[in-house]
Amino acid sequence: GQNIDQPTEMTATEGAIVQINCTYQTSGFNGLFWYQQHAGEAPTFLSYNVLDGLEEKGRFSSFLSRSKGYSYLLLKELQMKDSASYLCAVTSSNTGKLIFGQGTTLQVKP
Amino acid sequence: GAGVSQSPRYKVTKRGQDVALRCDPISGHVSLYWYRQALGQGPEFLTYFNYEAQQDKSGLPNDRFSAERPEGSISTLTIQRTEQRDSAMYRCASSLGTGDLDTEAFFGQGTRLTVV
Repeated sequence: GQNIDQPTEMTATEGAIVQINCTYQTSGFNGLFWYQQHAGEAPTFLSYNVLDGLEEKGRFSSFLSRSKGYSYLLLKELQMKDSASYLCAVTSSNTGKLIFGQGTTLQVKP
Repeated sequence: GAGVSQSPRYKVTKRGQDVALRCDPISGHVSLYWYRQALGQGPEFLTYFNYEAQQDKSGLPNDRFSAERPEGSISTLTIQRTEQRDSAMYRCASSLGTGDLDTEAFFGQGTRLTVV
């Protein structure tokens, strides 16, 4: 089966750091994506991990441990505009088909 | 076009009617996906095209749902005899292809379908 778990909601303070965790159990694994989705908008790509370790891209970093079926998205120097839903998604086939978690709604407070 | 374009943006239909949702992917994108997204949930995979070939339709809920991409560009998702449980946001996504699995998918703004 396919199962992807992430917390439903998180709250953090402007300027702080927040870590959003994602655990997955899938029948195969070809990579893990993080997408950002603002309310009423389409999901937009943030990061991709296929090998273990940390990928850094500006204020956002994503980590993967394949042996543990675990990833996290790290957001630094939080800004109010970072308030959004963050979607963890796994691709387990060679088609690029994505299996999404339910998303984590992040609220950034002043 | 500049992005993935979907039409209509909003569709209200009566139970039992058929609806057709259109997706115009980014020019040159080989892969096209349809997803359905309920409020507060992540997108749920419906079907996948590689060029004009429908290579995965494992996510289509039942035989009332069908999709086509006859010329390998624009795609249509059709729902026959709509039911209230079909109400959701239907999103299309496209990507360059499957040769590189790190290729990101670009999502359209979606069609909000409401069945009354």
